[in-house]
Amino acid sequence: QKEVEQDPGPLSVPEGAIVSLNCTYSNSAFQYFMWYRQYSRKGPELLMYTYSSGNKEDGRFTAQVDKSSKYISLFIRDSQPSDSATYLCAMSGGYNKLIFGAGTRLAVHP
Amino acid sequence: DTEVTQTPKHLVMGMTNKKSLKCEQHMGHRAMYWYKQKAKKPPELMFVYSYEKLSINESVPSRFSPECPNSSLLNLHLHALQPEDSALYLCASSQDQHNEQFFGPGTRLTVL
Repeated sequence: QKEVEQDPGPLSVPEGAIVSLNCTYSNSAFQYFMWYRQYSRKGPELLMYTYSSGNKEDGRFTAQVDKSSKYISLFIRDSQPSDSATYLCAMSGGYNKLIFGAGTRLAVHP
Repeated sequence: DTEVTQTPKHLVMGMTNKKSLKCEQHMGHRAMYWYKQKAKKPPELMFVYSYEKLSINESVPSRFSPECPNSSLLNLHLHALQPEDSALYLCASSQDQHNEQFFGPGTRLTVL
């Protein structure tokens, strides 16, 4: 079993839809949770960073962490074609090493 | 300024060549990282430098040699690479080991 599980998709949605992306993990020591967006042939761009459990909102993006269920989510409201990318969840126990999910490929069509 | 820069953007090299990848950040971060990313896969950690000292080497072959000349710069020296080493090489930095990592745009390496 992988430490972090993420459905690779692809996920295809119409413009304006609410997108829900999820990861599950097995290591209860993880305390730092991140979501990155990666466009094709580019470096990952940090979207959200959360410490421990709770919600965090930034514009159209909301990140949720449920440590009791070992489950994290990223919601994208009013999705746009420019949101089409691969979304990577990542997490760590606080000692430099990030563990990534496989990445979910998202396509938002007009 | 949350920018990590990497040069070159693209690199093509033969198996007998020696080349270097460079990474720079001016955010005052004290941890810097090298990752390797193959197509449709997540980044794989190669090395971590913390306060200019190598703290993690993920059993990377010796044909990859990292160097941290100062707190802002990170190099990756390449020698006698194999075609399977062709990938996107990403540099990242973070304030310290507990903080989020910021990635550069990557160097796309092709080994012939």
